[in-house]
Amino acid sequence: DQQVKQNSPSLSVQEGRISILNCDYTNSMFDYFLWYKKYPAEGPTFLISISSIKDKNEDGRFTVFLNKSAKHLSLHIVPSQPGDSAVYFCAVGGFGNEKLTFGTGTRLTIIP
Amino acid sequence: NAGVTQTPKFQVLKTGQSMTLQCAQDMNHNSMYWYRQDPGMGLRLIYYSASEGTTDKGEVPNGYNVSRLNKREFSLRLESAAPSQTSVYFCASSPRVGGGGTEQYFGPGTRLTVT
Repeated sequence: DQQVKQNSPSLSVQEGRISILNCDYTNSMFDYFLWYKKYPAEGPTFLISISSIKDKNEDGRFTVFLNKSAKHLSLHIVPSQPGDSAVYFCAVGGFGNEKLTFGTGTRLTIIP
Repeated sequence: NAGVTQTPKFQVLKTGQSMTLQCAQDMNHNSMYWYRQDPGMGLRLIYYSASEGTTDKGEVPNGYNVSRLNKREFSLRLESAAPSQTSVYFCASSPRVGGGGTEQYFGPGTRLTVT
């Protein structure tokens, strides 16, 4: 039973437009949410996070939105750039809990 | 500052062979983790170590053992490799800030093929 789902295995977006990646989770006890980016042949790198006390967090071109009632989070990238082409994983955890649970990933391709 | 390092980068084993994957971090982090990544499965936790001297099972521990050698090093051992263990293995560490969320920092991965 997957606790974290990324229902879109892939997404293609024109350069300069907005990319929206989605993630759903099942356990309302999760209270810390992260996005990771992964290039081929490299380890995942941390991108942005949000805690359950907020519904939005911004860092430059990246914004994460959290809808706790729907158990849904999304990552917005605007404007999208060719270097954003990568696999994006969402991850969820609890404060004070060392473990994270990862989604299956979405491959984002930015079309020049 | 190298972050998280893993050796080897690539390895091919025959069924039944054993090997140890090495991981080290130089960020003085308390917690360390081993994941495997398979197509369509995301990252699945094999084992983790919340602090030096402790280890715990993750989601997919069968067929693996771990050792937290010291604060810096966390190794993963396959005693008798099986084709189902063909995967990319990632080591990660986190500072484990008490009462706060924990970002994890990943190594570059080891690509293992078992024939």
